[in-house]
Amino acid sequence: DAGVIQSPRHEVTEMGQEVTLRCKPISGHDYLFWYRQTMMRGLELLIYFNNNVPIDDSGMPEDRFSAKMPNASFSTLKIQPSEPRDSAVYFCASRDKGAYEQYFGPGTRLTVT
Amino acid sequence: GQSLEQPSEVTAVEGAIVQMNCTYQTSGFYGLSWYQQHDGGAPTFLSYNALDGLEETGRFSSFLSRSDSYGYLLLQELQMKDSASYFCAVRPQGFKTIFGAGTRLFVKA
Repeated sequence: DAGVIQSPRHEVTEMGQEVTLRCKPISGHDYLFWYRQTMMRGLELLIYFNNNVPIDDSGMPEDRFSAKMPNASFSTLKIQPSEPRDSAVYFCASRDKGAYEQYFGPGTRLTVT
Repeated sequence: GQSLEQPSEVTAVEGAIVQMNCTYQTSGFYGLSWYQQHDGGAPTFLSYNALDGLEETGRFSSFLSRSDSYGYLLLQELQMKDSASYFCAVRPQGFKTIFGAGTRLFVKA
């Protein structure tokens, strides 16, 4: 398996623009997680899905952030409008039912200027 | 609130043993995980403890004491490639995961 796939790997955008991050989990995994990592706040869970259904979105910082999982092999995290404080590395991870391990994708480094 | 505390950094010599601690205060507890992250890379899973005691996987061991809300990761026979950040993570409910700030390990020759 190719592992968790994220795109783009790097994104530079201007404040106010819409940003869409994409994730393809490992085939067969039932859980998908979106994390944000910054030096100041560390690694934060934003939202996670089980069987394509959002289970806990309490980590989503504000209404500018939204996440969807239309099918078992694809998820998006959208920021609209983006702000400089959204600059971070965004990781997607997936997990197989019955396992504890989360497999992380390579991350998307987002810079909002 | 929910919090995890880890020392910010530790330095050790190649070939030595190092222990990295984690104390947690969370509303619930299902288990403690450890992840390794090299600079510029993604976190990778090392171990998971749901019950008290020691789990061993090769050079890595992880310990949990639920009564003390405490765990540690032990690395033996340190190698230069072990230089990385190490995060403990707690599942307070469901599969929600809260990560500590991480301990940065420097391995010296």
